[in-house]
Parts: sequence; C-alpha cells; structure tokens
Amino acid sequence: QVQLVESGGDLVKPGGSLRLSCAASGFSFSDHYMTWIRQAPGKGLEWVSYMYNSDSTKYYADSVKGRFTISRDNAKNSLYLQIDSLRAEDTAVYYCARVNSGWFDYWGQGTLVTVSS
Amino acid sequence: QSVLTQPPSVSGAPGQRVTISCTGSSSNIGAGYDVNWYQQLPGTAPKLLIYGNSNRPSGVPDRFSGSKSGTSASLAIAGLQAEDEADYYCQSYDGSLSTYFFGTGTKVTV
Repeated sequence: QVQLVESGGDLVKPGGSLRLSCAASGFSFSDHYMTWIRQAPGKGLEWVSYMYNSDSTKYYADSVKGRFTISRDNAKNSLYLQIDSLRAEDTAVYYCARVNSGWFDYWGQGTLVTVSS
Repeated sequence: QSVLTQPPSVSGAPGQRVTISCTGSSSNIGAGYDVNWYQQLPGTAPKLLIYGNSNRPSGVPDRFSGSKSGTSASLAIAGLQAEDEADYYCQSYDGSLSTYFFGTGTKVTV
C-alpha cells in the first residue's frame, strides 16, 4: 500500500534552517509529481511547493519563494524540503503528498516545524 | 495568488443534507481547472474525498458528492452522520501561475 512518511521536523530558532524528508513506498515514486503542503496551528491548508517526477521543474508559493527548496532522489524514493531563513510564520505541520493529475491522493502523517527563540 | 472562498462553518442535524460552496474566479475554476475536496478529521492528515469535480475515490461513501459550475464548486453531504464532523477543503490549480491552492476551509458540525 502507498505510504508517505515525513521526518525532520524540529524546534528551530528564527533565521535557522531545516531539511524535511518524505520517504515513499508502495508505488512507483519516479512516475509521480510530489508536493509539500503545510498547516499552521489552528489554520487551514497552504500549498507550499511541487516538483515534476523526471526533471528539475519546481514551483513554489509566493510566501516561501527564495527560502524553500524542494528536491527529490528517485533512487531513494525520497522527497525533500530545504527550509532556510526560518520565520515564526513558518511554524506548521508539513505534509508531503503524491500528486495525481492535479489532486493529492495520498498524504503523509506530517512533521511539525516550530520556529521560536 | 488565487483564492478559493468557503463558508467558515456549516452545521446540520444527523440525517440532514448540507452543502459547502467553494467560490473561485475566471483564472482558476472558471478557466476549466478541476476542483478537488479533502476531509480532515480532528488531529489527522487530510484525506482525498472528491477528485475531478465529482469523482469519489474507492472507499468514500456515496453520501458525498461534488459538482462544479462556472467559477464555483460545491460539496454535498447527504444523510449527515456524526463521523462527518471535520474540516473540509476545496483545492484547484492556477494555470497562469502553475501553482496549486486550497480553499479557506469549512468546519462541519453535526
């Protein structure tokens, strides 16, 4: 069965950096676009970034452009999100999800990033 | 960036039918992009509920239905049950920006 497991969330000081990982299993990872979505405490869902499966095409929400970098390693069935220059407003649960023709059909359980001094 | 507007909350008695609206614009829903819906039960990750405007993934009860017209979409829940109490989000795509985005979210109370 399809499984997505995020890791890497932590308590980080403002201005710090973090790398989130998403381990995929149960499907052909290299055949799918993948995406990151976040949810601040008590708030709604915010799409963050996605990337194509076979080339380096990547897209970002305006709120994270220039500070977040999405990447993937198809050989390791893994998706990553490098987060730099962290701000308090980046505090959220970060989910990875599989993209299927424009919708997100499988989600991980999420990893919590807390930005605080 | 694109915005999809949903009512903050909707409520109904068990067995009733409720609908949640999702209002977009000519650059997203009105441009022909599909609307998808997600259900988020308390303390859990979101789950795909409706895809491609009106299709249900395997395992989703047929009490849930979706539709789209013009620049808006709707999610209907018939025969409301206590287990339907959750947050619901619509989602679409902005082709001019090549970005996805979510609606503002609706809390359903039974």
